[in-house]
Amino acid sequence: GQSLEQPSEVTAVEGAIVQINCTYQTSGFYGLSWYQQHDGGAPTFLSYNALDGLEETGRFSSFLSRSDSYGYLLLQELQMKDSASYFCAVKEQGFQKLVFGTGTRLLVSP
Amino acid sequence: EPEVTQTPSHQVTQMGQEVILRCVPISNHLYFYWYRQILGQKVEFLVSFYNNEISEKSEIFDDQFSVERPDGSNFTLKIRSTKLEDSAMYFCASSRDSSGNTIYFGEGSWLTVV
Repeated sequence: GQSLEQPSEVTAVEGAIVQINCTYQTSGFYGLSWYQQHDGGAPTFLSYNALDGLEETGRFSSFLSRSDSYGYLLLQELQMKDSASYFCAVKEQGFQKLVFGTGTRLLVSP
Repeated sequence: EPEVTQTPSHQVTQMGQEVILRCVPISNHLYFYWYRQILGQKVEFLVSFYNNEISEKSEIFDDQFSVERPDGSNFTLKIRSTKLEDSAMYFCASSRDSSGNTIYFGEGSWLTVV
């Protein structure tokens, strides 16, 4: 089966840059997605990498390296509102389910 | 912006009771999903639904669970006889196509079984 591992918690200060890593064990997947989830809220789509390399969406960027089975989410100019849990996720070819990683809780302090 | 809506937002039920969670997916989406998240854990896939039938389900989705699209807009999850371990946040989601890399989640229904 698939497994996606993430650090459990990351802390940073406002204005800083933080990188959240995701290592996975799966095969034949379409790409790597990232979701943000505030406490008590719904997962919200942030970014998707179908191909290797960097995708930039405003303050957020995401990277994928299939050869290394690795990806990351980069958050720049951190704001207090970025405090949330972040999940990487993959969808294997031939399946419809999205498999989520273990999740990383980001705490942004003043 | 269109969104997935869910009701109720919170339900408390006694063990053994039946529960129905309701969802209205985004109107032009064709694929519908239920996920659940036990407190403090990751989001887990339960079931996907397409063309009025289950297209995929996980091992969690046993005979106690069922889904239905009773009309053109609603999508429901029924738990026939709830257990304590069914306590979780249940998220409905939908997507336009089967690639499903961008899935839109509702705000969730928090189920507490006592």
